[in-house]
Amino acid sequence: EAGVTQFPSHSVIEKGQTVTLRCDPISGHDNLYWYRRVMGKEIKFLLHFVKESKQDESGMPNNRFLAERTGGTYSTLKVQPAELEDSGVYFCASSHFRLAGGIGQETQYFGPGTRLLVL
Amino acid sequence: GQQLNQSPQSMFIQEGEDVSMNCTSSSIFNTWLWYKQEPGEGPVLLIALYKAGELTSNGRLTAQFGITRKDSFLNISASIPSDVGIYFCAGQLRHDMRFGAGTRLTVKP
Repeated sequence: EAGVTQFPSHSVIEKGQTVTLRCDPISGHDNLYWYRRVMGKEIKFLLHFVKESKQDESGMPNNRFLAERTGGTYSTLKVQPAELEDSGVYFCASSHFRLAGGIGQETQYFGPGTRLLVL
Repeated sequence: GQQLNQSPQSMFIQEGEDVSMNCTSSSIFNTWLWYKQEPGEGPVLLIALYKAGELTSNGRLTAQFGITRKDSFLNISASIPSDVGIYFCAGQLRHDMRFGAGTRLTVKP
């Protein structure tokens, strides 16, 4: 089974430019998450899709960030215009809910991340 | 929002030593997870804990879900050089997952 994939692996852009990150979740996973880790800090939640719908976007920093999930498959995260503080590693994760031994489980599997540097 | 306090921030140990790290929170979680991240990779799930009090092992790794549901620890026994990386704890409540800041582990051969 293929894991979560992300593209590009690295991106270096100038302040004011636009960057679009892509995430392909594990096939069949309805839940897709975006996270960001700024240097030395914890991984922070950005938003959560269930299929094509945004379930929770409370972690999105501001309106320069736009996430979409066309047809409930892959997702894109666009930053426009990029600022210096947007630098960091952007992770995507996907999951599906299952019952195991009567306990509901939803394990998130992470992609390798996109390392974004805004100069 | 919920904040996870993970400690220690970093550890430098000799190969063969045991390692212990923990996470505490002011809020309760339904699930505690431990991930490991290596350079250039995303976090990889090591152990998931679904019940308060649960103690689970995965090879040389052992983790426990605290009885109060507000804490968890991870132990690594007989460390080896490939244990090097950043270990993250995560607490999950339904879809909401919060991470600790990570423990950076260095193992000297």
